[in-house]
Amino acid sequence: QSALTQPAAVSGSPGQSITISCSGSNSDINYKYLSWYQQHPGKAPTLIIFDVKNRPSGVSPRFSGSRSGNTASLTISGLQSEDEADYYCGSYVSSSIRWVFGGGTSLTVL
Amino acid sequence: EVQLVESGGDLVQPGGSLRLSCVGSGFAFRTYDLHWVRQSPGKGLEWVSGIRTGGDTHYSVSVKGRFTISRQNDNNYLSLQMKNLGPGDTAIYYCARAGASGWYAFDSWGQGTVVTVSS
Repeated sequence: QSALTQPAAVSGSPGQSITISCSGSNSDINYKYLSWYQQHPGKAPTLIIFDVKNRPSGVSPRFSGSRSGNTASLTISGLQSEDEADYYCGSYVSSSIRWVFGGGTSLTVL
Repeated sequence: EVQLVESGGDLVQPGGSLRLSCVGSGFAFRTYDLHWVRQSPGKGLEWVSGIRTGGDTHYSVSVKGRFTISRQNDNNYLSLQMKNLGPGDTAIYYCARAGASGWYAFDSWGQGTVVTVSS
């Protein structure tokens, strides 16, 4: 069981917006260091959001992150076929100096 | 261009040992924290170990005492020595960098190297 919980799958049509949630059961998780990763089949993950809501250079503004309490969210607006991938949230646990990931969410663009 | 290239993955018997390597290029290697993250077949990501710029090392509970992470900054080299391997260690092992986008996010990843533990 992952320390961070994500829905197993979400779907949306091209042009629509979808949101993927990420919630933690561990009170030691530093939600201010929550990041999101995109992984296409057979490829390495790539960072798309760090520190809850910041986008690395080069990442599309269609990707946005937010947080409310112990739940973080990734929103993808204007869905495109190339967004079809697995998405993982990850965070740092300061009390035990470790990193944890969610179980991943498979996004299907219909 | 930032690059991380892993090598060393192999088929190994239960109880065996293996050393993974990762060579970095295109960035100031010594100024970044480096990590190993693995992904079991068809499963999610699991953080394995990390080493800070100053040499402090950290391990997940599942590998502590069996795996050793180290770095050689002069050679832009990161390694993961793995001992007493079990079937649960079968995975793609990724080398990842942290520091360009906050110190707690993995901003660059290698392509991965495959470790299979089986008799």
